[in-house]
Amino acid sequence: EVQLLESGGGLVQPGGSVRLSCAASGLTFSSYTMSWVRQAAGKGLEWVSGISRTSGSKYYAQSLKGRFTISRDNSKNTLYLQMNSLRAEDTAIYYCVKSQRDGFDYDYWGQGTLVTVSS
Amino acid sequence: SYVLTQPPSVSMAPGETARIPCGGSNIATKSVHWYLQQPGQAPVLVLYDDTQRPSGIPERFSGSNFGNTATLSISRVEAGDEADYYCQVWDGDTNQVLFGGGTKLTVL
Repeated sequence: EVQLLESGGGLVQPGGSVRLSCAASGLTFSSYTMSWVRQAAGKGLEWVSGISRTSGSKYYAQSLKGRFTISRDNSKNTLYLQMNSLRAEDTAIYYCVKSQRDGFDYDYWGQGTLVTVSS
Repeated sequence: SYVLTQPPSVSMAPGETARIPCGGSNIATKSVHWYLQQPGQAPVLVLYDDTQRPSGIPERFSGSNFGNTATLSISRVEAGDEADYYCQVWDGDTNQVLFGGGTKLTVL
């Protein structure tokens, strides 16, 4: 069974940084594109970033303006999201998601980790 | 930039067919994926590539994509179908994933 377990969320001060991790199991992690999607309370889904199987291609939401960095370690079956210069509007549940194939249709979602940016 | 437009809400009586539109410029040239999200839960993929159902998704869920509108149809709606539904595409011009704003389906 595929499992995606996010960690690293919590309370962060404005301007601060946090690194999210997503531990994947039950799949050949290196075979799939992975992404992060976030959702603010009571709001819709917002795509954050995606990374190809070998990290050769990385994609980001234009709204992030270079503050976030996605990476993966296929030897550890783990996806990461480094978040810098955090703002109140970054407060959201962050989901780790797996693509079905090389595209961006997401067949598995983690349960999410909450990041709260507040002083 | 590319925008996906969904109505905020759709209401149907049990047994009817719900149709949830997702509008976008020439959306028929893109592959559209659909997710449902129930309160407090992570989203679930219900359709991919406009019309394809993942394993475990009932045949009541179907899709179409023509012109400027993609549509998720749910036949014989039941109370358990109440959820927020989101459409999603990959925008190759900007190399970004885009989600629609979501549609809340209410079964009366």
